Amino acid sequence: ETGVTQTPRHLVMGMTNKKSLKCEQHLGHNAMYWYKQSAKKPLELMFVYSLEERVENNSVPSRFSPECPNSSHLFLHLHTLQPEDSALYLCASSQGFGTVDSNTGELFFGEGSRLTVL
Amino acid sequence: AQSVAQPEDQVNVAEGNPLTVKCTYSVSGNPYLFWYVQYPNRGLQFLLKYITGDNLVKGSYGFEAEFNKSQTSFHLKKPSALVSDSALYFCAVRVIHASGGSYIPTFGRGTSLIVHP
Repeated sequence: ETGVTQTPRHLVMGMTNKKSLKCEQHLGHNAMYWYKQSAKKPLELMFVYSLEERVENNSVPSRFSPECPNSSHLFLHLHTLQPEDSALYLCASSQGFGTVDSNTGELFFGEGSRLTVL
Repeated sequence: AQSVAQPEDQVNVAEGNPLTVKCTYSVSGNPYLFWYVQYPNRGLQFLLKYITGDNLVKGSYGFEAEFNKSQTSFHLKKPSALVSDSALYFCAVRVIHASGGSYIPTFGRGTSLIVHP
């Protein structure tokens, strides 16, 4: 148990569906991240939120839409996805992003949401 | 810009033998260095970190890593490998500047460790 919970763990959706991935952290952290992990590819950083403000957006297609309503919750809204979007989507949180008295800021990851787009 | 390289896609070792998973980094500033492990169909788990001080750091599951500033390396080691250590290992670097700004970590591509019985 890492303190970061992702739901659902598995999701199958058609290209015309709309679905959402949810992430919740119980660690009191102030930064949250979405990563995409595809087979045979490096870990891809998608979005970073610090204190509920988006601070990083790595040219992610608009069919992925993040939402961070508070420092404990992070969503990834999905619509009109493509088969190549099938991957493991990992949420992570950390403490100390962009602060003077930051600690070492290691990331704590959830177990991931395995997405299959048909 | 910061970067991290894991030169080996896969490392094979026999159970009971020592193992090393390599990592080198490139940063401007003082690096914070991390190792993570990922078991199949799971998220990444934090193993250990180097911040400052002793160059040899110890972490979970008997792993340790040695920080070498002159070689800009942070290799992961374990004296005696177990079959259960078979997993994907990621090195990451995060640069903390004197101004207090904290940067997003950069991950290596990962190294698959296979421990044979």
